[in-house]
Amino acid sequence: DAGITQSPRHKVTETGTPVTLRCHQTENHRYMYWYRQDPGHGLRLIHYSYGVKDTDKGEVSDGYSVSRSKTEDFLLTLESATSSQTSVYFCAISAPGTGTTSGANVLTFGAGSRLTVL
Amino acid sequence: AQTVTQSQPEMSVQEAETVTLSCTYDTSENNYYLFWYKQPPSRQMILVIRQEAYKQQNATENRFSVNFQKAAKSFSLKISDSQLGDTAMYFCAFGGATSGTYKYIFGTGTRLKVLA
Repeated sequence: DAGITQSPRHKVTETGTPVTLRCHQTENHRYMYWYRQDPGHGLRLIHYSYGVKDTDKGEVSDGYSVSRSKTEDFLLTLESATSSQTSVYFCAISAPGTGTTSGANVLTFGAGSRLTVL
Repeated sequence: AQTVTQSQPEMSVQEAETVTLSCTYDTSENNYYLFWYKQPPSRQMILVIRQEAYKQQNATENRFSVNFQKAAKSFSLKISDSQLGDTAMYFCAFGGATSGTYKYIFGTGTRLKVLA
């Protein structure tokens, strides 16, 4: 899908264990985002990146950290997973401010990663 | 901070009929984009339609059109000739710059069911 892949697609882990989700893009887009989707809450922004080593917090960043050492990769880490972090996680990419073509400013999503914390 | 509100958690419509999904947003920015995304049971997020805030003309994509009221900060989606394949979760989203970086904020979604 538009050169964006997430791994793993499914993961079951236990409370207290570290978890890393990976997002990889081949579009060379500057911006990358991590969202979580939960019933009744829609998609909520966890962290985002606007360049290599440039990241910022979203609305639900507690308990999560991110890293971006290369343009194509954006990692989301749960240092010590909790049951409240059971969710579907989406990575997304965009190239805002790149003009008015149909693709400009559009947010393109990966397929999602379902994480279950027992 | 920007917010997006979808006040209709669930809706249903008969096949071939027209349905309108509501969305309101709040922002102090003048330049931004608004989007509707569709999420079928496959969980894939699919862009339905996009609207640039600086354009007064409402966007259309085949059976999908929007009613963009900038002053009222309203952005509704109209689906004409509804089809069974339109059954999905629909999310309204705002995309804009805040403090020099670009973010996308989503509403809580409207679950649409098209009835045969």
